[in-house]
Amino acid sequence: GAGVSQSPRYKVAKRGQDVALRCDPISGHVSLFWYQQALGQGPEFLTYFQNEAQLDKSGLPSDRFFAERPEGSVSTLKIQRTQQEDSAVYLCASSLAALAEAFFGQGTRLTVV
Amino acid sequence: QKEVEQNSGPLSVPEGAIASLNCTYSDRVSQSFFWYRQYSGKSPELIMSIYSNGDKEDGRFTAQLNKASQYVSLLIRDSQPSDSATYLCAVKEDSSYKLIFGSGTRLLVRP
Repeated sequence: GAGVSQSPRYKVAKRGQDVALRCDPISGHVSLFWYQQALGQGPEFLTYFQNEAQLDKSGLPSDRFFAERPEGSVSTLKIQRTQQEDSAVYLCASSLAALAEAFFGQGTRLTVV
Repeated sequence: QKEVEQNSGPLSVPEGAIASLNCTYSDRVSQSFFWYRQYSGKSPELIMSIYSNGDKEDGRFTAQLNKASQYVSLLIRDSQPSDSATYLCAVKEDSSYKLIFGSGTRLLVRP
């Protein structure tokens, strides 16, 4: 596709529900990143994939957060037992290589009620 | 804890004026510096990157970097109402893939 595609754009979850957020990176992009952006804040790093390998998950806030990229293309960020503090925009970005310019998707706005 | 600091604004300037956006960072090993523009409800979009001390110009945008003072700025000349957005400063350590963002400065260009 022309850009990084994320779905759904908006998700409302009841507290305790599990959610899955999808990211379709730009075709051929080896590197994929997930960031979390709270209201009025800048994005914060969650995790990084190089192809299918998750090389860094140091930013995941708890063990309720899990990300995968099994075939080195589409990635899914899963949040189990959602809490109110998980409400944020989740941004996916991809780049040709780790140090190359990263292009961001439109994000998924998650609201936990 | 690495920090990137920005004034949250809003910075309000009249159309045609120069908008000056500032950013300081705490980590002396930071080597790459970026300015992203983010319209409300949209994704961050890279508008400038700068790696060495001095100025870098691209159209109406000029990025300025002073590593000794740990300071990076973005100047927007001939500001237009369409420049109204939040501007995010981001830094990377040498050979790192992680972007560390400031909280952004909201810019308002008044017609």
